[in-house]
Amino acid sequence: ETGVTQTPRHLVMGMTNKKSLKCEQHLGHNAMYWYKQSAKKPLELMFVYNFKEQTENNSVPSRFSPECPNSSHLFLHLHTLQPEDSALYLCASSQDVIGSVEAFFGQGTRLTVV
Amino acid sequence: AQSVTQLDSQVPVFEEAPVELRCNYSSSVSVYLFWYVQYPNQGLQLLLKYLSGSTLVESINGFEAEFNKSQTSFHLRKPSVHISDTAEYFCAVSDLGGSYIPTFGRGTSLIVHP
Repeated sequence: ETGVTQTPRHLVMGMTNKKSLKCEQHLGHNAMYWYKQSAKKPLELMFVYNFKEQTENNSVPSRFSPECPNSSHLFLHLHTLQPEDSALYLCASSQDVIGSVEAFFGQGTRLTVV
Repeated sequence: AQSVTQLDSQVPVFEEAPVELRCNYSSSVSVYLFWYVQYPNQGLQLLLKYLSGSTLVESINGFEAEFNKSQTSFHLRKPSVHISDTAEYFCAVSDLGGSYIPTFGRGTSLIVHP
């Protein structure tokens, strides 16, 4: 148990669907992140929230829309995705946004776009 | 900006053999270095990290990594691997003075055979 919970674990959606990924952390951390993990590629940072404010948007297409209602919850809203968006989406949290602290990851949501 | 290179995408070894997973980085400033491990169907977990001080850092399960500034490397080693060490290993680096967000390598798949 890492303290970061992601739901659902698996998701299959059509290109015209709208769905949301949820992440919850019970660690009292102030920062939360979304990463995309594709096979044999480096982890791609998508979004960073610090104290509920978005501090990084790594040139992510607008079909991905994050939401952070409080420091414990993070959502990723998905709409009109493409097959190349199929990947493992990882949520992470850390105490602060400084380089020396470790990140705690959830188990991920395996997304398949058909 | 920093970057991380993990030269080996896959490393097969037999149980009880030694292993080294290579990691090289590039950065114009001083860095923090991390190794994360991802077991099947799990998120990433911190294995060990180098922040300052002794260049040799150890994990609780027998892995160690040595920071070599002149060679800009942070290779991960274990003298005798177990079947349970089969996993994906990610090297990550963050700048002391720049971006606080760690940059991850593409991962090395360690496969331990009986």
